[in-house]
Amino acid sequence: DIQLTQSPSFLSASVGDRVTITCRASQGISSYLAWYQQKPGKAPKLLIYAASTLQSGVPSRFSGSGSGTEFTLTISSLQPEDFATYYCQQLNSYPPRFGPGTKVDIK
Amino acid sequence: EVQLVESGGGLVQPGGSLRLSCAASGFTFSSYAMHWVRQAPGKGLEYVSAISSNGGSTYYANSVKGRFTISRDNSKNTLYLQMGSLRAEDMAVYYCARDSGSFTGALAFDYWGQGTLVTVSS
Repeated sequence: DIQLTQSPSFLSASVGDRVTITCRASQGISSYLAWYQQKPGKAPKLLIYAASTLQSGVPSRFSGSGSGTEFTLTISSLQPEDFATYYCQQLNSYPPRFGPGTKVDIK
Repeated sequence: EVQLVESGGGLVQPGGSLRLSCAASGFTFSSYAMHWVRQAPGKGLEYVSAISSNGGSTYYANSVKGRFTISRDNSKNTLYLQMGSLRAEDMAVYYCARDSGSFTGALAFDYWGQGTLVTVSS
């Protein structure tokens, strides 16, 4: 099974900051990576799929990059509604596991 | 509007059984593979199970294999998860999610239900 790690696991940032989260896969997954945002008590929301394709309706301040084993999610200018936990997910092979998550908190 | 609504969660004793349902609307249910994902209290997302659009192919995480059964009724636009031999570690919010691609070529889970809580306790 492919394992995912995320770094950092927690980050404290201010509104307007540029934030970058990294996801690493234990083996190459091409571009079969998605990013989700989850707020407390809510279901995850798809942000990016195929490593860099923005899901319809997601603000353009979110972007994704990478291929193979290393991927990044960038929020160009953090907004109050972006404070949440972010998960990556690999979809190259079953099981389509999730990373452990990165919690973005208010500084 | 795509909607996924889970139901069937509740309190069950260790060793007991429960059937979760996920009612789908706003899209052609029979054209999409579907998944179950769970989240234990305060923990991350754990993948549980998948079923192809026609129900002919299924997948289970090792943690639930042999105890859980995924199924679907395309005439009723409903996804199911039959859970048996429940353990304390199965306690979680269970989400159903739509596969944006196909069973063997998913790109993401593009729509999620609101989740249903399963509590396993004596």
